[in-house]
Amino acid sequence: AQSVAQPEDQVNVAEGNPLTVKCTYSVSGNPYLFWYVQYPNRGLQFLLKYITGDNLVKGSYGFEAEFNKSQTSFHLKKPSALVSDSALYFCAVREALMDSNYQLIWGAGTKLIIKP
Amino acid sequence: DSGVTQTPKHLITATGQRVTLRCSPRSGDLSVYWYQQSLDQGLQFLIQYYNGEERAKGNILERFSAQQFPDLHSELNLSSLELGDSALYFCASSALDSYSYEQYFGPGTRLTVT
Repeated sequence: AQSVAQPEDQVNVAEGNPLTVKCTYSVSGNPYLFWYVQYPNRGLQFLLKYITGDNLVKGSYGFEAEFNKSQTSFHLKKPSALVSDSALYFCAVREALMDSNYQLIWGAGTKLIIKP
Repeated sequence: DSGVTQTPKHLITATGQRVTLRCSPRSGDLSVYWYQQSLDQGLQFLIQYYNGEERAKGNILERFSAQQFPDLHSELNLSSLELGDSALYFCASSALDSYSYEQYFGPGTRLTVT
């Protein structure tokens, strides 16, 4: 079965420093990978996705993610963190169901804290 | 604002009861997804509807059911409620029936079962 791992429950970064939120996946076939962000008391918001093509994907709010097939990773990055980036970040991968449909499998989430 | 609306925002009910959660997708979106978010289970996919028909089922209990109406709004029915059903329930929508498209999430309904 497909799976997604976010190895860090929490990441602390000083404002202005680069940030990385890690995600590794296990999937058969070509992966469809996603990052979403959840601010307190809000629903999830789409950040970016990798379906095919360039391994470096650019998304909303200055975030980008690098797809690494050999390491089965899809880490989320930003060159310079803002305090407003503090939120819960989710990585997800598409999983095929038995009836040829799909669902998203979600990581446990990583809490990102940016300190002024 | 994602354009997805969910009602009610909060719901407090007792064990054994039945509740209905409502979701209106973004204008033009045909797919609706339901998710449950709890502290111990994380974010779990429950069920997907596309243009009125059930498309995919995830970890949805038999006590739970959903439907999508001709105007594309969706309802999630939870019955014989247990304490463990207390969670945030999210609805999301997407343009088409494909995971190539991002999902837009509503603000959620917080269900508390006492």
